[in-house]
Amino acid sequence: KQEVTQIPAALSVPEGENLVLNCSFTDSAIYNLQWFRQDPGKGLTSLLLIQSSQREQTSGRLNASLDKSSGRSTLYIAASQPGDSATYLCAVTGYSTLTFGKGTMLLVSP
Amino acid sequence: NAGVTQTPKFRVLKTGQSMTLLCAQDMNHEYMYWYRQDPGMGLRLIHYSVGEGTTAKGEVPDGYNVSRLKKQNFLLGLESAAPSQTSVYFCASSLITGGNTEAFFGQGTRLTVV
Repeated sequence: KQEVTQIPAALSVPEGENLVLNCSFTDSAIYNLQWFRQDPGKGLTSLLLIQSSQREQTSGRLNASLDKSSGRSTLYIAASQPGDSATYLCAVTGYSTLTFGKGTMLLVSP
Repeated sequence: NAGVTQTPKFRVLKTGQSMTLLCAQDMNHEYMYWYRQDPGMGLRLIHYSVGEGTTAKGEVPDGYNVSRLKKQNFLLGLESAAPSQTSVYFCASSLITGGNTEAFFGQGTRLTVV
């Protein structure tokens, strides 16, 4: 059974800091890994998708890496802003389903 | 495009009542999923469908039934609601499963069972 772990569970930083969120998974037989953002009381918004054959993806200030063999992914957020405050979830896609971690709750203070 | 739409957005049920949650997608996606999200538990898969007329159990299927009579719709039913089913329910869809397939989520249904 695939298990996904996200560390840390919560993170509080001042505005402008660069930060790294971590995601690990137990079964390397994945098709891809997605990072999502969830604002309080809202649905999930896809941020980045990394195919299993890829090493990283970038979108603006976000950079996600994938090391499939070691079962790890990181989401790097550059020059954090208060608007980045949200819960960040990673999910791995297996044969038919997505398995989620429990998320990292990020608070960026002005 | 509407994407993935869930109906209703909020609902309060009494224990023992039944209800159906509707998920509709307009992206011609093959795969659809129902998840529940609870504090400290993350998102857990209830049921999923890999195409019209097919359904399969996920991690926490007990107390729920689903149907996929039309490709664009995926219904989640609660036959006899219990307080343990108080949760936020999310529907998602994807074109297929594979390397370049992105999953899209609805805005959620907040269900309270009293």
